[in-house]
Amino acid sequence: EVHLVESGGGLVQPGGSLRLSCGASGFRFSNYWMSWVRQAPGKGLEWVANIKEDGSETYYVDSVKGRFTISRDNAKNLVYLQLNSLRAEDTAVYYCASDYFSGWGQGTLVTVSS
Amino acid sequence: QSVLTQPPSASGTPGRRVTISCSGSSSNIGNNYVYWYQQFPGAAPKLLIYRNSQRPSGVPDRFSGSKSGTSASLAISGLRSEDEADYYCAAWDDSLSGWFFGGGTKLTVL
Repeated sequence: EVHLVESGGGLVQPGGSLRLSCGASGFRFSNYWMSWVRQAPGKGLEWVANIKEDGSETYYVDSVKGRFTISRDNAKNLVYLQLNSLRAEDTAVYYCASDYFSGWGQGTLVTVSS
Repeated sequence: QSVLTQPPSASGTPGRRVTISCSGSSSNIGNNYVYWYQQFPGAAPKLLIYRNSQRPSGVPDRFSGSKSGTSASLAISGLRSEDEADYYCAAWDDSLSGWFFGGGTKLTVL
């Protein structure tokens, strides 16, 4: 069974940075694309980024291009999301998800506020 | 304007059938699989339908998905009070090189 656990969220000032981590277990991590999806308070789901099985390809939603970076460590079954130049509109619960979002973590809250 | 368009709300009475639509274009739904997710308040989403019409193990057969052209639908038959949740469609868009979710449909069981 897919098990994903996110960490690293918190309160950060505008312009600040955070690194989110997601630990995976219960499936062959290195065989799957991984994604980050976010949900602003009271809003819908928004895909943020994804990364190919071997890390050779990454894609981002336009609103985070140049600010966020997704990466992975297949030896440790971890996927990361580096968030830089954070803005108030980045405030959301960030979920880690596998493949075509077949499995989800519980989410980690990122709050950008002064 | 959203890439994938869903009605913001839907409703039905227990035992009845309700459908939720998801409208896109040739670069997303028209050329790729559609996925559906169920989300309860305060919880992470859950995969309900994959590859247009396939159900993961554990999802009741009351839930079904279909796709025609650039639109897709989620149907829930034998509606139950516990089906009250938010439902989202998703598809990859070839032109935009990204995944897109519909805006979500809040289902109310009357």
